[in-house]
Amino acid sequence: DTAVSQTPKYLVTQMGNDKSIKCEQNLGHDTMYWYKQDSKKFLKIMFSYNNKELIINETVPNRFSPKSPDKAHLNLHINSLELGDSAVYFCASSHTRGVETQYFGPGTRLLVL
Amino acid sequence: KNQVEQSPQSLIILEGKNCTLQCNYTVSPFSNLRWYKQDTGRGPVSLTIMTFSENTKSNGRYTATLDADTKQSSLHITASQLSDSASYICVVSDFNNDMRFGAGTRLTVKP
Repeated sequence: DTAVSQTPKYLVTQMGNDKSIKCEQNLGHDTMYWYKQDSKKFLKIMFSYNNKELIINETVPNRFSPKSPDKAHLNLHINSLELGDSAVYFCASSHTRGVETQYFGPGTRLLVL
Repeated sequence: KNQVEQSPQSLIILEGKNCTLQCNYTVSPFSNLRWYKQDTGRGPVSLTIMTFSENTKSNGRYTATLDADTKQSSLHITASQLSDSASYICVVSDFNNDMRFGAGTRLTVKP
């Protein structure tokens, strides 16, 4: 069974559209994260979410919003997509927010045309 | 300037050889340092996590060291295998759990 899964794996869309990426973890973890990896392979954390507490990286535009319907899911909604949003987005989870191993999903490759 | 610098940027070694990757950081106050392995087209996989009081940690053929005084860490890979070809990413967190990522070292192991 996949521990952290994301859908879709690939997403190609037009500039200005609104899209969502889904993430689910079956590890029973309390904390989930979203990361962005740009074309230079630089990873950057976007959000972490734990017990209804959301911590946002201040550099993330407010067009990006995470939504957690329950503890096992943290979906990423992106409004008014821009060319610069093209990247690979990774979801991850850990037992708590502390010094814990994070388990990453396979990534969603987003291309904005 | 990034607070986490990794070297070398890329490395090619022959199968069976050892290698060492470096990570220097300026993140303060230091909480923990992680090494991840990322295969092409996949998500990162955690190799080690070290806190201030730990100066070495092993995970199979991977051994990470940490010198919190000089703010340096290394990842040593022993008896490399073709499957070790990947990017290795160093991540340093402060007391607020703010994570700073290095740009990674791209390792290629050739037969």
